[in-house]
Amino acid sequence: AQSVTQPDIHITVSEGASLELRCNYSYGATPYLFWYVQSPGQGLQLLLKYFSGDTLVQGIKGFEAEFKRSQSSFNLRKPSVHWSDAAEYFCAVGGGTASKLTFGTGTRLQVTL
Amino acid sequence: DAGVIQSPRHEVTEMGQEVTLRCKPISGHDYLFWYRQTMMRGLELLIYFNNNVPIDDSGMPEDRFSAKMPNASFSTLKIQPSEPRDSAVYFCASSPGTGQGPQHFGDGTRLSIL
Repeated sequence: AQSVTQPDIHITVSEGASLELRCNYSYGATPYLFWYVQSPGQGLQLLLKYFSGDTLVQGIKGFEAEFKRSQSSFNLRKPSVHWSDAAEYFCAVGGGTASKLTFGTGTRLQVTL
Repeated sequence: DAGVIQSPRHEVTEMGQEVTLRCKPISGHDYLFWYRQTMMRGLELLIYFNNNVPIDDSGMPEDRFSAKMPNASFSTLKIQPSEPRDSAVYFCASSPGTGQGPQHFGDGTRLSIL
């Protein structure tokens, strides 16, 4: 069965500091991996996705993520956080773009000024 | 382009009443998903459709829940009778065919059962 673990429930960073959100997955074959962001009262917005190829993927809003097969990880990074990045971030894994996605429990990011 | 459209955005009703949530997927998307989000259980997949046909409804909590997709541009999720524990945010998402893209989410329906 596929699963996703986001070990950090809540992270606080200062504006301008770097950010790394952790994601570990379990999947029996080559995974499709996603990061979504959810602002309060909103739906989930796709930040980036990994299907194949280059293991470092770039997304919107200056985010990037690196797929490491040996560590079963897909961590999300941003070099300099902005106050508007405060939100909840979800990592998800699936076996194909249209198949079932399994989401992690999310990491809530707080940004201090 | 219009995204996934859900209605209503908020619904407050009394226990025992029937609740119907609606979703219009992105035009051309072949897959439609219904999720439920709660603090306790996070984001759960309830059911998904491919070309209007239900493929996997194993996440539907019980017989009080039903979902239909009568055509490619409309789906409903119905709860009858509703119970307080059904209170949650319900999301609809759609995606194109295999290999063509991720799921796009609507803004959700916040459901409160009193």
